[in-house]
Formats: sequence, C-alpha cells, structure tokens
Amino acid sequence: DADVTQTPRNRITKTGKRIMLECSQTKGHDRMYWYRQDPGLGLRLIYYSFDVKDINKGEISDGYSVSRQAQAKFSLSLESAIPNQTALYFCATSDWGTGSTDTQYFGPGTRLTVL
Amino acid sequence: QKEVEQNSGPLSVPEGAIASLNCTYSDRGSQSFFWYRQYSGKSPELIMSIYSNGDKEDGRFTAQLNKASQYVSLLIRDSQPSDSATYLCAVSDPTGNQFYFGTGTSLTVIP
Repeated sequence: DADVTQTPRNRITKTGKRIMLECSQTKGHDRMYWYRQDPGLGLRLIYYSFDVKDINKGEISDGYSVSRQAQAKFSLSLESAIPNQTALYFCATSDWGTGSTDTQYFGPGTRLTVL
Repeated sequence: QKEVEQNSGPLSVPEGAIASLNCTYSDRGSQSFFWYRQYSGKSPELIMSIYSNGDKEDGRFTAQLNKASQYVSLLIRDSQPSDSATYLCAVSDPTGNQFYFGTGTSLTVIP
C-alpha cells in the first residue's frame, strides 16, 4: 500500500463550488505539506503543518484553507473554487527538522479542474 | 528573484553519456538541498539529498554542492532512456520548515 494517499485523484468542478482534497499517510511523519504544481511555475507551497495544532501558511495560501484532523490526515479546502486554481495538487510528508531527516515524500497527486 | 533557478531545458543527451543538471538558489542560509525526479503525470521522487559542500555519490548519480557560490548540481553517468524525466531542484529555508522548488529541467536520453 502507498505510504501517502490522496483522494480524489481527479476532480472537475465548477466555479464557486467548495472542494476538499484529502491526504492520508502511514509513514508516521509529523510534518505534512500541500503544494500545487502549474506548468512553468514548479511546485509552490500552499500550507504546511508540523502537528495537529500547528498549521502555517505557505507561499500561496490565499483562497485555500486546511485542516489537520489527526497526525495522519491533512485536508485542503477550496472554499469557492475559481478557474485559476486549476492545477495538480500534491500532498507531502517529511520527518522532523533539518538534516538528513527532512526528505519529502509525495502522494500521487490530485488533478483539479475548475470550469 | 526566484528562490531556486533551474534551466528549463530541454536537455538531450545520448544513451551512455553524462547528463549535467544545474541549480542556483538565493538564500545563503539554506541548509538542505535535494534533487527529485518527476515523470510526466507522476509525483516527484527523491534521487539525492546533500547537506555539506562537496560531492555525494549514489550509484550513477552524483550531487555537488557549493554553498559559497549558491550552486547545486546533479550528474547522471551512463544515462539511460529511463532517466528521461523532469528533474526538480529543491532547497530548504534556513529553518528547514519550508522547501522551495525550481521549475525543473526536462531531460531526454536518446537511445
């Protein structure tokens, strides 16, 4: 079984709809991240969380919110989706801190299309 | 100024050749450096991490870090068609809390 899973894998929705993307991990990592990937722009950090009570905004948090329901679960919500949120979304986990334990492990991605 | 810069390519090399991928970063306080490989439509997967100046080798891959020049590179020896992918350079911020990715270099290995 995959260590980091994301649901749904693909989603098409309409402008103004609320969307939730879910991420679960079995790696036992404390740190979880949400990124979006757009052609030519690379991966950009939306939100990150170091534990259930520690959530932080990343580079591009506007229009998004997150919830860390448990150590293993981190959800990303688009409260009112807009077309420029069409992108490939990745969840990632990492072990603690700097040094050799801060490798990121990515989920398979969710392709979101907002019409 | 972008945090992490990479040549977008595409870079084409013949099978068996050495592929050289380069990355520069802007924050002198960065401590952790990574190379990820991403096949089209797939998620990034870690190839190499490097934390100290110098070279780090793992099989056909060698990562090189020069903090004074704010430069990190990846060499792929004996390139194979299966190495054809986009290679992402990632750099942590000084706290290690956030990671910044380059836009990636597309590599094609020609049989």
